[in-house]
Amino acid sequence: ILNVEQSPQSLHVQEGDSTNFTCSFPSSNFYALHWYRWETAKSPEALFVMTLNGDEKKKGRISATLNTKEGYSYLYIKGSQPEDSATYLCACSNTGKLIFGQGTTLQVKP
Amino acid sequence: ETGVTQSPTHLIKTRGQQVTLRCSSQSGHNTVSWYQQALGQGPQFIFQYYREEENGRGNFPPRFSGLQFPNYSSELNVNALELDDSALYLCASSPDLSGYGYTFGSGTRLTVV
Repeated sequence: ILNVEQSPQSLHVQEGDSTNFTCSFPSSNFYALHWYRWETAKSPEALFVMTLNGDEKKKGRISATLNTKEGYSYLYIKGSQPEDSATYLCACSNTGKLIFGQGTTLQVKP
Repeated sequence: ETGVTQSPTHLIKTRGQQVTLRCSSQSGHNTVSWYQQALGQGPQFIFQYYREEENGRGNFPPRFSGLQFPNYSSELNVNALELDDSALYLCASSPDLSGYGYTFGSGTRLTVV
């Protein structure tokens, strides 16, 4: 059974702070790691898909890294803004389906 | 048509009733997956359909069933509703079975009383 864990569960930061979250997954049978950003009452929005050990992806102030050998991925947000407030989900894809972690909810205070 | 649309957005049902949730996928997306998100948890995989055939199922009882239609729409049916079925139900479509390119709907909030 593929088990994906995220930490912390929630995070409160001040505007301008940089922050990061962790996604852990079993390193065996790994296929791909997905990060989603999910604002309340909206659809989850895809941020990154990563497959190779050592992958690094960047989108504006948000970046992510992947270590498939030890089974973790980090998501970094540089200079957090109030509009970054959302739940960030990671998921491993396995035979076409997504196995999600429980998410990290970020609240950025102005 | 772009995007994934789910209906209704909110629904209240009584324990023991049956419910049908609907999803309209992006044109050309042959795969649709349904997820249940209970409070405080991440989305849990219910099942997946590819070209109108079920292609994988999560740990959900048979009273959860689905259909996928040629026009890129799909349904999630739940019979004999239980209080624990109260959750947000998400639909996601993708072009194929690769696990890439998922587009999510904004979900249906089901409350069972």
